[in-house]
Amino acid sequence: GAVVSQHPSRVICKSGTSVKIECRSLDFQATTMFWYRQFPKQSLMLMATSNEGSKATYEQGVEKDKFLINHASLTLSTLTVTSAHPEDSSFYICSAAPQGGTSYEQYFGPGTRLTVT
Amino acid sequence: GENVEQHPSTLSVQEGDSAVIKCTYSDSASNYFPWYKQELGKRPQLIIDIRSNVGEKKDQRIAVTLNKTAKHFSLHITETQPEDSAVYFCAASYGSTLGRLYFGRGTQLTVWP
Repeated sequence: GAVVSQHPSRVICKSGTSVKIECRSLDFQATTMFWYRQFPKQSLMLMATSNEGSKATYEQGVEKDKFLINHASLTLSTLTVTSAHPEDSSFYICSAAPQGGTSYEQYFGPGTRLTVT
Repeated sequence: GENVEQHPSTLSVQEGDSAVIKCTYSDSASNYFPWYKQELGKRPQLIIDIRSNVGEKKDQRIAVTLNKTAKHFSLHITETQPEDSAVYFCAASYGSTLGRLYFGRGTQLTVWP
């Protein structure tokens, strides 16, 4: 089946620093990937749509200059949290769907737990 | 964007009983409604999904019903087992096969042995 990986699985950083999270589709190509954020005991909140070769589309209320998204290839999207603060501590999950597929199913990565101290 | 409401937020049932979780959505253009099970600290797992051209879908103990007119859909789990205990999320999506997913707030299901 379709597999999506994320790296790192956990990261701790100091306030004010930047953190990069990678999302890879391992056995399929994806022109579009999605980034979600999930706070403890809350739902998954769509942050942005990552488009290969073009700019990401951000959901209302998500700061595009704080959450930089780059989708440089058909198998890799990166999310960089710039100038991280404790309130950015969360579980970040990406998802992707095979390019040209007929199924509507999205495949989720295992998530990245970010803790900002 | 789409707004998805989910109820109840918590649900406790005895093993063997049925569980029902309900969701409503706001955008009539939504055409794909998946349900996910998420265990603590892990990725959401798709358990069943339904497209807007279908009113009901069943997979063993799990079924989903969709009422497009009322814009609501429900998850039904029969013969519940303790291993069904988890958080369940409904979601709605519109557009093509690469549509954005909007999630409900989740339901913590606990199945008591």
